[in-house]
Amino acid sequence: DAKTTQPTSMDCAEGRAANLPCNHSTISGNEYVYWYRQIHSQGPQYIIHGLKNNETNEMASLIITEDRKSSTLILPHATLRDTAVYYCIVAAGGTSYGKLTFGQGTILTVHP
Amino acid sequence: DTAVSQTPKYLVTQMGNDKSIKCEQNLGHDTMYWYKQDSKKFLKIMFSYNNKELIINETVPNRFSPKSPDKAHLNLHINSLELGDSAVYFCASSPTLGSINEQFFGPGTRLTVL
Repeated sequence: DAKTTQPTSMDCAEGRAANLPCNHSTISGNEYVYWYRQIHSQGPQYIIHGLKNNETNEMASLIITEDRKSSTLILPHATLRDTAVYYCIVAAGGTSYGKLTFGQGTILTVHP
Repeated sequence: DTAVSQTPKYLVTQMGNDKSIKCEQNLGHDTMYWYKQDSKKFLKIMFSYNNKELIINETVPNRFSPKSPDKAHLNLHINSLELGDSAVYFCASSPTLGSINEQFFGPGTRLTVL
């Protein structure tokens, strides 16, 4: 699986958009970009995933560059409860048998 | 209703003991996983099972033995516990093997080996 690079930490003001970047320059054509988050002392929680096109759901938006070498997770209106570690993961569907390789992630702190 | 549940939530035990952690999912998923999160917060897959069949074994010591009595349950038995086994263990499930869909994680079991 391709490796990802994320900033160690980021801050965001409550109510503002949080934009979390991720570099995955060695991503393969069959690999998806997944985002999970882990709120303190809880299990990881799925946020969103995409292959090529931008995706949006009730939690977030995922913007993938045209060359697929990087992506950005957008939390449109961050709240204090969005404070968590955010993991960007690239993985293939069928061939990886669901194996997710978590990196260090980005610690997002949302402040009042 | 809890989708993926684990018991116990906390487990404190002595070195050399044998212990088990249980996991159950009520989502009707075919695939279940065990992950380990160490003190540095790295989360790493240990095992995956699909319909009770072992699929992934990530070079985990054979003191760790997963058991899947049915596809809704994946238990983790650990023999001869060592200090380095102290970690948080997460169970997860996904709809099918190799699914691109999300994995649902349990709340974790914090194991402390003294």
